[in-house]
Amino acid sequence: KAGVTQTPRYLIKTRGQQVTLSCSPISGHRSVSWYQQTPGQGLQFLFEYFSETQRNKGNFPGRFSGRQFSNSRSEMNVSTLELGDSALYLCASSADPGTGTQYFGPGTRLLVL
Amino acid sequence: QQQVKQSPQSLIVQKGGISIINCAYENTAFDYFPWYQQFPGKGPALLIAIRPDVSEKKEGRFTISFNKSAKQFSLHIMDSQPGDSATYFCAASKRQGGSYIPTFGRGTSLIVHP
Repeated sequence: KAGVTQTPRYLIKTRGQQVTLSCSPISGHRSVSWYQQTPGQGLQFLFEYFSETQRNKGNFPGRFSGRQFSNSRSEMNVSTLELGDSALYLCASSADPGTGTQYFGPGTRLLVL
Repeated sequence: QQQVKQSPQSLIVQKGGISIINCAYENTAFDYFPWYQQFPGKGPALLIAIRPDVSEKKEGRFTISFNKSAKQFSLHIMDSQPGDSATYFCAASKRQGGSYIPTFGRGTSLIVHP
């Protein structure tokens, strides 16, 4: 099976712009979670989607949003970008989130100038 | 407030040696403890995980030791190899809305010298 894929891999934006990141989970996985990884704050949970519904949300401002489509693909949007949003954004998918097992994609590296 | 404290921040080990990384948590609601390995340019990969009903779990050269009363757990890498050089993250997860939501440690950069 193909792993979790994320597009684009690299992105440069300027402050105030918005950005949309895409994640395709492993085939058959219905749960998709998003994480932000920065040198300062480490790996932090953003939100989780399961069967097109946001099931869990981390402690991030409303500028961070997401959605999941009927084929389980997910998108994450960040509006009004700030310099501090520069990070590696990781997506992870799970066949059964009740087990805790999830598989990460390679991430999208976002640089905000 | 750092809910999961990981140490050391960096670790240098000779080939064949034992690498030990420690984590401590505070919230007793955590009940799933995975370790992830991350290479540069890649996402984290699940290495091994443990639930609090067991004190030790071994998979190949990797062992998790878990001390529920002390709220501590550790990763031991036996016979460390240069290919093990990576960043390791511990996580403590709690059940929420039907899923396990992890809180990660800050990571340990492991270098294994040949």
